[in-house]
Amino acid sequence: GQNIDQPTEMTATEGAIVQINCTYQTSGFNGLFWYQQHAGEAPTFLSYNVLDGLEEKGRFSSFLSRSKGYSYLLLKELQMKDSASYLCAVLNSGYALNFGKGTSLLVTP
Amino acid sequence: IAGITQAPTSQILAAGRRMTLRCTQDMRHNAMYWYRQDLGLGLRLIHYSNTAGTTGKGEVPDGYSVSRANTDDFPLTLASAVPSQTSVYFCASSDRAGAAETQYFGPGTRLLVL
Repeated sequence: GQNIDQPTEMTATEGAIVQINCTYQTSGFNGLFWYQQHAGEAPTFLSYNVLDGLEEKGRFSSFLSRSKGYSYLLLKELQMKDSASYLCAVLNSGYALNFGKGTSLLVTP
Repeated sequence: IAGITQAPTSQILAAGRRMTLRCTQDMRHNAMYWYRQDLGLGLRLIHYSNTAGTTGKGEVPDGYSVSRANTDDFPLTLASAVPSQTSVYFCASSDRAGAAETQYFGPGTRLLVL
């Protein structure tokens, strides 16, 4: 079966760092994606990890540990516009993308 | 601007009516997908198409049908809408199926079935 868990909501302060965790148990693994979704809009691609370790892209970084079934998305120097939902999605052995329920991040002044 | 378009943007539909949600991409992507997004449930795959002429069932296909007559278009049809099909529907595409390709999403269709 597929099971992807991430916190429902998080709050952080502008300028701070926040880490959004994702744990997964899926039938096979071909990589893990993070998407950002602002309210009322489409999900947009943030990052992809298939090997263990950290991938850095500007203010955003994503980490993967395949042995632990664990990933996190790290957002640095938070800005108000980072308030959004963050979706963790795992590509299973059939190359189908299974999404978690998303983490709603609120950035406060 | 290249991307995915969906129509209509939103729709209110009486239960029992037939409805087709349209999706068109101009990126020449081979694979296309339909998801529904419901509060507390996340994105769930309804149907997919790995290439023109082929389709497959996702996690929640009941009550929906799709066709893929060409590369660009992937319409989703609700034959007889029910209130439980009230949702936000997203179409997505990726360059290749069966590979670790990024999926790109359209703007969504908000459907209310009464």
